[in-house]
Amino acid sequence: DAKTTQPNSMESNEEEPVHLPCNHSTISGTDYIHWYRQLPSQGPEYVIHGLTSNVNNRMASLAIAEDRKSSTLILHRATLRDAAVYYCILEESDSWGKLQFGAGTQVVVTP
Amino acid sequence: NAGVMQNPRHLVRRRGQEARLRCSPMKGHSHVYWYRQLPEEGLKFMVYLQKENIIDESGMPKERFSAEFPKEGPSILRIQQVVRGDSAAYFCASSPPLARVNEQFFGPGTRLTVL
Repeated sequence: DAKTTQPNSMESNEEEPVHLPCNHSTISGTDYIHWYRQLPSQGPEYVIHGLTSNVNNRMASLAIAEDRKSSTLILHRATLRDAAVYYCILEESDSWGKLQFGAGTQVVVTP
Repeated sequence: NAGVMQNPRHLVRRRGQEARLRCSPMKGHSHVYWYRQLPEEGLKFMVYLQKENIIDESGMPKERFSAEFPKEGPSILRIQQVVRGDSAAYFCASSPPLARVNEQFFGPGTRLTVL
């Protein structure tokens, strides 16, 4: 069901940036791009969302390609607490409320 | 401002029993969502409810599963005659009414084990 493609895992050193790619080539003009993360044994946590323009918040930045067929979540300085599974999700306009989680990217942060 | 609350956090049932999972949304939130995460798998959408209404139940198994969100009280996910394959983590999320973008706030989950 998920319409996004992400790498299975990525590794980063603490204090370094992490760039998490996501392909969503079937995105339509009104679909929002969401990122959530899930720490071990916890519920998912909202990270950021965007539609067309790049977005920044206190947790991360979201860079959206001009054709919107891909996006990148940027964690500017990874900490050990950022070790989690990161999910890139398309919220489709005709199924509002239904978040379709894929396999996500497991981020490993090493000290 | 308390977050989404789920109880119990852990639930053990024998095959054939009923399981009732409760979810109290954040204050002011009128939309509730249930997701299931099977062992070693990703989260799967089950159902989306507003107060007293089921909006989208496309992810609910056809039999034994039901959900409600009454006018008063928590949302309930009910599983009748549980089987071992129902063992999973069940997450509830909520969102405020009239939100332009669907940011969902998740609870800590209920871990159901069927013996």
